[in-house]
Amino acid sequence: DAMVIQNPRYQVTQFGKPVTLSCSQTLNHNVMYWYQQKSSQAPKLLFHYYDKDFNNEADTPDNFQSRRPNTSFCFLDIRSPGLGDAAMYLCATSREGRQGVLGMNTEAFFGQGTRLTVV
Amino acid sequence: ELKVEQNPLFLSMQEGKNYTIYCNYSTTSDRLYWYRQDPGKSLESLFVLLSNGAVKQEGRLMASLDTKARLSTLHITAAVHDLSATYFCAVERTGKLIFGQGTTLQVKP
Repeated sequence: DAMVIQNPRYQVTQFGKPVTLSCSQTLNHNVMYWYQQKSSQAPKLLFHYYDKDFNNEADTPDNFQSRRPNTSFCFLDIRSPGLGDAAMYLCATSREGRQGVLGMNTEAFFGQGTRLTVV
Repeated sequence: ELKVEQNPLFLSMQEGKNYTIYCNYSTTSDRLYWYRQDPGKSLESLFVLLSNGAVKQEGRLMASLDTKARLSTLHITAAVHDLSATYFCAVERTGKLIFGQGTTLQVKP
């Protein structure tokens, strides 16, 4: 049974047209990540949520935004997609305990990814 | 800043041969992962290594971790064509998972 679900699997959008990718999880994990992976490259962390706390990577373009309305869902919004934003977008989740809380951490689980094409 | 480096980046090998992929990282880590990725697909978790000296094996793949040297290895024994894929190591620290560049493995009959 899929535990981290990304929708859609494939997305084609027009240059400059806003697009939203979604990720849902059934694991009740408190941390959710968004990665961008371009062809033949390693996944690159865009941002992550630790509970409701949003953590943006310093080199993530402003064109990329994220929302996490509840524990189960996280969205990636690309406000004005460019040709260079075509990539596989991967969502991942994990459980991280607060400092001093032992035995809470789990490994990261990845979704199946959304392949974004910009035309 | 945490940096993760793999080598080699590309590996072509004959079936039946053994080889090792190396993963070096620059700072202390909480966990180290090895993933497999087939073309156009997401990441498949192979191993999670938590502590110094950890060794895990699954089929023809064996992973080890030396936290003092900040080095992990993925050893392939008697390679078969089905192992052809890209292998990533990733290091987790303070809740962030940072990937190495990946090693593309091609196993030839």
